[in-house]
Amino acid sequence: DAKTTQPPSMDCAEGRAANLPCNHSTISGNEYVYWYRQIHSQGPQYIIHGLKNNETNEMASLIITEDRKSSTLILPHATLRDTAVYYCIVRGQTGANNLFFGTGTRLTVIP
Amino acid sequence: ETGVTQSPTHLIKTRGQQVTLRCSSQSGHNTVSWYQQALGQGPQFIFQYYREEENGRGNFPPRFSGLQFPNYSSELNVNALELDDSALYLCASSLAAGDYGYTFGSGTRLTVV
Repeated sequence: DAKTTQPPSMDCAEGRAANLPCNHSTISGNEYVYWYRQIHSQGPQYIIHGLKNNETNEMASLIITEDRKSSTLILPHATLRDTAVYYCIVRGQTGANNLFFGTGTRLTVIP
Repeated sequence: ETGVTQSPTHLIKTRGQQVTLRCSSQSGHNTVSWYQQALGQGPQFIFQYYREEENGRGNFPPRFSGLQFPNYSSELNVNALELDDSALYLCASSLAAGDYGYTFGSGTRLTVV
């Protein structure tokens, strides 16, 4: 399964855009990139996913490079409630379609 | 639409004991996965159940077992508890087919003493 690499931590000022990078250089052609976040003491929360094209929903935007070896999650206007650990995941290729979490990026939104 | 609910929220067990954790999947979801999250680490996949059958397993010993019921709810059983089994146990439900996201519960915090 493709591995992902994320910076361990990032800070972002409240109201500014948070750009969280992820490298997945060994991604296979039919593997999706998923983003989840985990707020302290809660279960992970699905944010967004994509295959090749950029995606946007009410929570965030996902930008995937043309070679698919990296991606960026963008939170357009970060709030204090966005402080969490963000996980970039490439969906496994086993029949179970399980998710392989790394250690993620701890995003701290600063007032 | 109800989310994923897990019970109990917290549990303390003694080394060598057995424990059963429970999970009710989100309405409409037919697949349940279990994850173990040690302190400071990301969740690790234990196994997944679909149509009451185990549908994939991570690197966990056989003393970790599970069940899925006709209503898609699930149980995680751990026998012969070890101190290292202390963790947050997360249940996630999803639809079997397609590229849908997973809905996670808030987890059960298990402490083995």
